[in-house]
Amino acid sequence: AQTVTQSQPEMSVQEAETVTLSCTYDTSESDYYLFWYKQPPSRQMILVIRQEAYKQQNATENRFSVNFQKAAKSFSLKISDSQLGDAAMYFCAYSGGSNYKLTFGKGTLLTVNP
Amino acid sequence: NAGVMQNPRHLVRRRGQEARLRCSPMKGHSHVYWYRQLPEEGLKFMVYLQKENIIDESGMPKERFSAEFPKEGPSILRIQQVVRGDSAAYFCASSPEGIPYSGYTFGSGTRLTVV
Repeated sequence: AQTVTQSQPEMSVQEAETVTLSCTYDTSESDYYLFWYKQPPSRQMILVIRQEAYKQQNATENRFSVNFQKAAKSFSLKISDSQLGDAAMYFCAYSGGSNYKLTFGKGTLLTVNP
Repeated sequence: NAGVMQNPRHLVRRRGQEARLRCSPMKGHSHVYWYRQLPEEGLKFMVYLQKENIIDESGMPKERFSAEFPKEGPSILRIQQVVRGDSAAYFCASSPEGIPYSGYTFGSGTRLTVV
């Protein structure tokens, strides 16, 4: 069974600084998708960024980028120029290439200090 | 284009009562998924439905839980005879197809509290 591990229960960053959230996963599949979701206090699950495993190029969405290391099964999220609105719980998620189920990690609570 | 709509946002039930959670998918989305988030945990898959069909309910507890997605109207997650352990946030997600190429769109969830 696939598992997703987020080893940092909590992280903090100063406003305008950069922070990296870690995620590792375990799978025997070669084709899959990886996601980072943000959950602010409103509880809404917001898709931040996605990565297809067959793509070697790391995904980027504005201030958010990933470091995808397929061999190491690592998928970290880098947030540049952190803003107060980035404060939230961040979840890493995995989906097999032909599987509709998302497997989530336990989340990392990010605090942004002014 | 409204997103995934879930209601109610908060639901309080006494032990032994029934809870009904509703989910209207995004316009054009015919695939609906229910996930449960227990305190301090990530979301866990419960059930996958298409219109009038349950595709996969492998994440649903065997008793007291059921789900439907009728031809007309929202998807319903029903929990009979609720117990304290059912207290959680229940999220619905939808997609235009059954594989999350683009990632799912989630609703804001229903927080169920059993007292």
